[in-house]
Amino acid sequence: EADIYQTPRYLVIGTGKKITLECSQTMGHDKMYWYQQDPGMELHLIHYSYGVNSTEKGDLSSESTVSRIRTEHFPLTLESARPSHTSQYLCASSEFRTTNNEQFFGPGTRLTVL
Amino acid sequence: GENVEQHPSTLSVQEGDSAVIKCTYSDSASNYFPWYKQELGKGPQLIIDIRSNVGEKKDQRIAVTLNKTAKHFSLHITETQPEDSAVYFCAASRITGGGNKLTFGTGTQLKVEL
Repeated sequence: EADIYQTPRYLVIGTGKKITLECSQTMGHDKMYWYQQDPGMELHLIHYSYGVNSTEKGDLSSESTVSRIRTEHFPLTLESARPSHTSQYLCASSEFRTTNNEQFFGPGTRLTVL
Repeated sequence: GENVEQHPSTLSVQEGDSAVIKCTYSDSASNYFPWYKQELGKGPQLIIDIRSNVGEKKDQRIAVTLNKTAKHFSLHITETQPEDSAVYFCAASRITGGGNKLTFGTGTQLKVEL
C-alpha cells in the first residue's frame, strides 16, 4: 500500500468558489505529479514537480496552479471553479533515481462543480 | 510529444481464459513501458514494467512483450480470475537523468466473467 494521501476524496462545490486539493506523501519522494482523469478513463498530466520550489505544467493545459514548499506536500488550487473542472484528480509521486521509475498514486479526489 | 494508443477499450473473458491488451507508441526515444491496474475507487497501481533493452518480462500470470522496431508492446494475463477485473493502462516514457513523465494510453476495461 502506497503512502500517498489525498483529501478530500469527494468535493461538490458551486461555481466561482476557490478550492485546494491536498496531496501528501510520506515516502520522501522528490517527484510529484497531478493527473486529471476524465469520464472516459484517460489520464492526463496537468502538473509535475521534481523537488521543492520546482513546478512545471504538464501536457494538458489546466487553469489550476500548484505549489511545492515542502517535499511531502503538493497541493493543487483552483481560484474560481467552473463546471468544466468537474473531473477526478489523481496525485502521484516517484523517486528521483532512474533505476526505480514506479509512480505511486493516491486514491484521487472526485470534484463536481455545480 | 509521445502518443500512446491502446486497444481494446473493453475486454470480456471467461474465468481461466487469457487476456491480451495491446499498445503502440510514437516516440522511438521512449525506453520505459509500465502497465498500471486501476480498481474501482482507487488510484492506478503498477503491475509490471519493461525497459527497451528487454523483449519480454514475466511475473507469475502476467507478462509483457515489447517490439521496439514496430513500436508496440502488449500485456498478457493468463488464467484470468475475477479479481483481475479492473481498468488497465499502458504508458510510455523517456527516462532521463531527472525526468520520468508518463504518457498513458486510453485504458482497457477488463471484465472476467464466472
